[in-house]
Formats: sequence, structure tokens, C-alpha cells
Amino acid sequence: GAVVSQHPSRVICKSGTSVKIECRSLDFQATTMFWYRQFPKQSLMLMATSNEGSKATYEQGVEKDKFLINHASLTLSTLTVTSAHPEDSSFYICSAGTPVNEQFFGPGTRLTVL
Amino acid sequence: AQSVAQPEDQVNVAEGNPLTVKCTYSVSGNPYLFWYVQYPNRGLQFLLKYITGDNLVKGSYGFEAEFNKSQTSFHLKKPSALVSDSALYFCAVRITGGGFKTIFGAGTRLFVKA
Repeated sequence: GAVVSQHPSRVICKSGTSVKIECRSLDFQATTMFWYRQFPKQSLMLMATSNEGSKATYEQGVEKDKFLINHASLTLSTLTVTSAHPEDSSFYICSAGTPVNEQFFGPGTRLTVL
Repeated sequence: AQSVAQPEDQVNVAEGNPLTVKCTYSVSGNPYLFWYVQYPNRGLQFLLKYITGDNLVKGSYGFEAEFNKSQTSFHLKKPSALVSDSALYFCAVRITGGGFKTIFGAGTRLFVKA
């Protein structure tokens, strides 16, 4: 089946640093990538949607300068949390979409900002 | 506004008993409905989906869901619960048209007691 990987699975960083999270579709081409954020015991909140080679579309309330999304190829998207602060600590999940509107989820990345 | 509601934060059931996790939705047009399961610190695993056709959909691990258009519901069911079914369950609706995105319900935590 379709596999989506995320790296790293866990990251701890100091406040003020930037963190990059990679999302890869391993055995299929993802025309669309989605980035979600999940707070403890809460649902997934869509942050942004990106199509390969295009700028990401951010959901209302998500700061595009803080959460930089790059979708440079059909198998790789990156989310960079810039100048991270403790309130950015969360579980970030990516999802890869196919041309036939299937969606596959990555295992998630736990970000802790000290 | 398009939304998904899971009215129960938590469902408790004894092993071997049937389980139901409720979901209602509000979308314009024909809905694409999904159920996902999430184990601690893991990404989402797909259980089943309804696109069209038979209202009773069978999915992974013995789960099934019934689409009820008049009640706008898509409840998840299993005839006989296992302790290993204990997890967080998300109902989701996919919005299509000009691309697509998935909206998640708040999630329902299922506890199956031995």
C-alpha cells in the first residue's frame, strides 16, 4: 500500500530556533500535500495545502511566515517552523494526496520547544 | 459551514460486546466520509470510507459503518470489541471541488475493558 514517511519522528529544540520536518511519499507521487497540527487530546487541524511547484494555501489563522511549506517535488514536502516557541509544541502530521483524491497519512512528528 | 461532529468524547465497552462510535456531518453535496484510528503518538490509520453505493461499508479489523443520508450520520460499529481496539477514532468528511481537503471530527476515545 501507499506509504508516507515523516522525519524526524521526534524533535526537541530551543526557543527561537527553526525546525524542518520532511514528509515523503515513498511509493507514489503526491500531487497534493496537507499539513495538520494536533494538540493533545484534540482533533487534527488543517494548516495548509500545497500542490507540487505551487505556493501553499494556508488555512485561516495559520501564519504563513511562521510555518513555511515547500513542495518541491511529487514525493517531498517540508514544513519549517521558524523561530519556534513553546506554544508551537505539537504533533504535526502530513498527508499525501493522489491525483484520484486518495489521501494517506504520515506517522507524525512530535515537536517540543523548550 | 461544512462540519463533522462526534458527540461522544469517550466510549466505554466491555470486550466481546458490540461497539458504536457516533458521527454526524453537515456538508453540501454528496459526502465522502471516512473513519480513521489513531494509536498514541502515531499517525492516522485508514479504517473505511463511503463514497457511493451500499450504505453499509465494511472496513479493516472487523469495523463497519452505516451511511444514513436522512439522519446525516455515519456511525462506526463492530459486533464484538477487542481490548486492542482501544484507541482514538476520527470521523472525517472530504470536501471536493477545486482540489480537496479533509475535515476531521473532534475524535472519540474508545476504551475496551477486558
